[in-house]
Amino acid sequence: QQQVKQSPQSLIVQKGGIPIINCAYENTAFDYFPWYQQFPGKGPALLIAIRPDVSEKKEGRFTISFNKSAKQFSLHIMDSQPGDSATYFCAAIIPGFQKLVFGTGTRLLVSP
Amino acid sequence: DGGITQSPKYLFRKEGQNVTLSCEQNLNHDAMYWYRQDPGQGLRLIYYSQIVNDFQKGDIAEGYSVSREKKESFPLTVTSAQKNPTAFYLCASSTDGNSYEQYFGPGTRLTVT
Repeated sequence: QQQVKQSPQSLIVQKGGIPIINCAYENTAFDYFPWYQQFPGKGPALLIAIRPDVSEKKEGRFTISFNKSAKQFSLHIMDSQPGDSATYFCAAIIPGFQKLVFGTGTRLLVSP
Repeated sequence: DGGITQSPKYLFRKEGQNVTLSCEQNLNHDAMYWYRQDPGQGLRLIYYSQIVNDFQKGDIAEGYSVSREKKESFPLTVTSAQKNPTAFYLCASSTDGNSYEQYFGPGTRLTVT
């Protein structure tokens, strides 16, 4: 199955909160899991990515947690700011095919 | 200033007309991609090209066509055969077909009435 299931569809947190976005997959051939951030009317931008041999990766306020046995991964945004309000997409890729499979997106709103 | 440009940002067409969306990159990337974005459905791959003069169908290629005559350019034609063409279209590129990192352009919003 070449699907990535993403939840929740939308999320509202207060400034300083820690929003968590979850993704799950079935195909164990996926071996690269990026997260993209998209602002309204713009193209997605690569935020952070992880490979399945690593359980956690941090870049600034953004952290990916990866659970290989559960085939799940999640994005945590520490000390969230109103400027983080955007749509976030998880994705996965199978080596050799180079086709990104995207989740359906999570619309995050960080209130001041 | 390197990047991916898509033009125009907004495009309006009448039903039954073919329309071509432009995508240009000056990143010297070999691979280029076209995605379609609809509300609540994420991004879906239309076509991709790993090298000049070669391209492959993605998951939703019906009603679309592409060409890759130059490394920098990967235009997408939305034909009248595409049943629901109104969408946000995104072009992306990567260094080569083995690279996992794709860089996206700003998108073109196509409205067909």
